[in-house]
Amino acid sequence: KAGVTQTPRYLIKTRGQQVTLSCSPISGHRSVSWYQQTPGQGLQFLFEYFSETQRNKGNFPGRFSGRQFSNSRSEMNVSTLELGDSALYLCASSLAAGVPDEQFFGPGTRLTVL
Amino acid sequence: KQEVTQIPAALSVPEGENLVLNCSFTDSAIYNLQWFRQDPGKGLTSLLLIQSSQREQTSGRLNASLDKSSGRSTLYIAASQPGDSATYLCAVITQGGSEKLVFGKGTKLTVNP
Repeated sequence: KAGVTQTPRYLIKTRGQQVTLSCSPISGHRSVSWYQQTPGQGLQFLFEYFSETQRNKGNFPGRFSGRQFSNSRSEMNVSTLELGDSALYLCASSLAAGVPDEQFFGPGTRLTVL
Repeated sequence: KQEVTQIPAALSVPEGENLVLNCSFTDSAIYNLQWFRQDPGKGLTSLLLIQSSQREQTSGRLNASLDKSSGRSTLYIAASQPGDSATYLCAVITQGGSEKLVFGKGTKLTVNP
């Protein structure tokens, strides 16, 4: 069974640009969550999607947004990039929201903002 | 707000040693606790999941315990090997919490041959 996949693996952008990251969950998993990892703040929760609906949202500005498609694949978008957005962005999938269960993570997308 | 702390931040041991990594959380109303391993520049690998009703879980040389009332979990690694070198993270899902997983900052483990 294929694991969680994320594309692209690496991105370099400049300040002010926008970026879209993609995540494909494990087959059969319907919940996708996104996390930002930085050396200073560690891992921080961005948002969670289940059945194309945002279920939970972390404490991030509105520049960070996401969506989920009917096949459970998810994208997150960051607009008007800032230097501080440089981070490893990880997505995780699980079987179902509302029933907290094991989270499986993808390899991440490394975003560098210049 | 749930806070997760991991002690120590870094640990260096000789190969073959048994070791314990600690995790504490401030809000004991959790659904579950999960231990992960992260290699440099990589994603997270799930090691063990402990439901709130469980006391421990075992997988190979790894044993994780949970004391929900005191807000503590430990990860025991038996007979450590150089391949165990990585950062170990614990995370909890809190009942009624708006966040999915709340993570500690991790323990960076180095096992020396």
